[in-house]
Amino acid sequence: DGGITQSPKYLFRKEGQNVTLSCEQNLNHDAMYWYRQDPGQGLRLIYYSQIVNDFQKGDIAEGYSVSREKKESFPLTVTSAQKNPTAFYLCASRRMDYNSPLHFGNGTRLTVT
Amino acid sequence: GQQVMQIPQYQHVQEGEDFTTYCNSSTTLSNIQWYKQRPGGHPVFLIQLVKSGEVKKQKRLTFQFGEAKKNSSLHITATQTTDVGTYFCAGPYAGGTSYGKLTFGQGTILTVHP
Repeated sequence: DGGITQSPKYLFRKEGQNVTLSCEQNLNHDAMYWYRQDPGQGLRLIYYSQIVNDFQKGDIAEGYSVSREKKESFPLTVTSAQKNPTAFYLCASRRMDYNSPLHFGNGTRLTVT
Repeated sequence: GQQVMQIPQYQHVQEGEDFTTYCNSSTTLSNIQWYKQRPGGHPVFLIQLVKSGEVKKQKRLTFQFGEAKKNSSLHITATQTTDVGTYFCAGPYAGGTSYGKLTFGQGTILTVHP
């Protein structure tokens, strides 16, 4: 079955450590996205990529970094510069036609203490 | 930047009552998409509206897109406990350099009491 795999489901880190969240898709989608979800705040866009080796900042990119070396993979690194990293992180992908919907992974819940 | 506002933030209904959530954008949208997220789950695509004034139905769900393509609504008739979850609208930017960027509303959390 085609889909998006995010791992791990739960992640715990100490403050000051960088952590990388994995996102892999086998849907052959060109575009990939990272969203952050906090209670009562909906989904906020961190980064997105429309093509390999290229990506754009979303609305809350500070403290995060991404790479897109392969079409299938779009890992997100939460750096120690992110002041409030505890959240639910969702990866998504879509075809690059204007009306194509997002397909989401199951998410990674990151807790930083 | 583009903003998509969604109201209400919370809605509690008795099973069998109707429910409506509204979505308003600060800019014209080329289309609007609606997603549902069950508790503990991830958002799942429900429908997309593209044309001005468009109305689409999925069983008890009715979706509308405003004439100016700046607002949309989702109406559920006779809610059931299976309707519980958070409903999001999302719109791509209709112009400029943000092609492919989808912006979500804050979502409406629906609780249905049996």
